[in-house]
Amino acid sequence: NAGVMQNPRHLVRRRGQEARLRCSPMKGHSHVYWYRQLPEEGLKFMVYLQKENIIDESGMPKERFSAEFPKEGPSILRIQQVVRGDSAAYFCASSPGTGENSPLHFGNGTRLTVT
Amino acid sequence: AQSVTQPDIHITVSEGASLELRCNYSYGATPYLFWYVQSPGQGLQLLLKYFSGDTLVQGIKGFEAEFKRSQSSFNLRKPSVHWSDAAEYFCAVGALGAAGNKLTFGGGTRVLVKP
Repeated sequence: NAGVMQNPRHLVRRRGQEARLRCSPMKGHSHVYWYRQLPEEGLKFMVYLQKENIIDESGMPKERFSAEFPKEGPSILRIQQVVRGDSAAYFCASSPGTGENSPLHFGNGTRLTVT
Repeated sequence: AQSVTQPDIHITVSEGASLELRCNYSYGATPYLFWYVQSPGQGLQLLLKYFSGDTLVQGIKGFEAEFKRSQSSFNLRKPSVHWSDAAEYFCAVGALGAAGNKLTFGGGTRVLVKP
């Protein structure tokens, strides 16, 4: 059973370009969480999605960032018109449900560098 | 609002020596508490978790943590450190429920192991 798969592992974008980060949850998991880790900092919650629905986007910047988790395919975190401050590691986690019996499983992250 | 503080940014320990990593949390209800480890360039691996019951929790890789409600702490310990324990360690507090399993992370403690 494959774990949470994130791709690409590394992504380099010039300022003003778009970045698309993909996350395939573990098999049977329908809940996805995105976190951002800035250099030398802990992980900060961005958004929580279930299939086709955004449940909680309280940690998502209001502009340029969007997320989706379509019925088919991976979850996508999209950053438009990237700026240097967007350089960070972006982690996805998935779980089969909510509550105590649904621990989060993390992917290895996508490291975004904006030049 | 919930928060997690890890007072030590870096800790250096000799191989074979004991290790203790501090974690203090702020949470309005009974907390769900976690410790994760992150090796360089990797995702997060769950070491252990506390939900209820025995306040001394055993985890993987020989780690344990003790929940002390009176001190709002959840310190991680290992009696004898191995070189492979060099990594970054994150404490997290979670709100688990119908609204999702959202975690709030501390800033992390980087552990260096001297031979």
